[in-house]
Amino acid sequence: AQSVTQLDSQVPVFEEAPVELRCNYSSSVSVYLFWYVQYPNQGLQLLLKYLSGSTLVKGINGFEAEFNKSQTSFHLRKPSVHISDTAEYFCAVGSQGGSEKLVFGKGTKLTVNP
Amino acid sequence: DAGITQSPRHKVTETGTPVTLRCHQTENHRYMYWYRQDPGHGLRLIHYSYGVKDTDKGEVSDGYSVSRSKTEDFLLTLESATSSQTSVYFCAISERQGGLAKNIQYFGAGTRLSVL
Repeated sequence: AQSVTQLDSQVPVFEEAPVELRCNYSSSVSVYLFWYVQYPNQGLQLLLKYLSGSTLVKGINGFEAEFNKSQTSFHLRKPSVHISDTAEYFCAVGSQGGSEKLVFGKGTKLTVNP
Repeated sequence: DAGITQSPRHKVTETGTPVTLRCHQTENHRYMYWYRQDPGHGLRLIHYSYGVKDTDKGEVSDGYSVSRSKTEDFLLTLESATSSQTSVYFCAISERQGGLAKNIQYFGAGTRLSVL
């Protein structure tokens, strides 16, 4: 069975500060990894994905994430956040060669303050 | 929202009444999913479908049923709604790429359901 732990339920930061949202996963097989963003009253939008290859993955809106297999982590980073980045962020894991299902973390609410 | 329409977007109903939520896609994707989102729980899979008339249970399937008679439509039914089913429901779709499951899912805008 797979699981995802998002270590922080809420992260407040000031505008233009760097941010890191942490995600750890557990899986007995090779994985695909995703970050989704949810703006208020909207659905989830794919932010970035790791399928294979380079462990540093770049996504939309200046976000990037690094896959660390030894630490089973996939932390999301942005060097300088904007007010518009205020949203909830979800990490998700799927299994390579397995089912089409994803397991989601419980989410991290990022609040960017002026 | 990647050609995914959920209806209704909002619904208020009473305990014990049946409720059906609809997910319609225009992408011709094989896989469709229903999730519920609750504070502190993230997204939890209710049911999913891997083809017409092919469905399977997720982790929170009790009290829910689904049907998929056409590729484009996936229905979620609460046979007798309870207050614990008050939630936001999301539909998602995915498709294999090059014959491989890559789990990339695209989401609808959600249905907010209140059971009083």
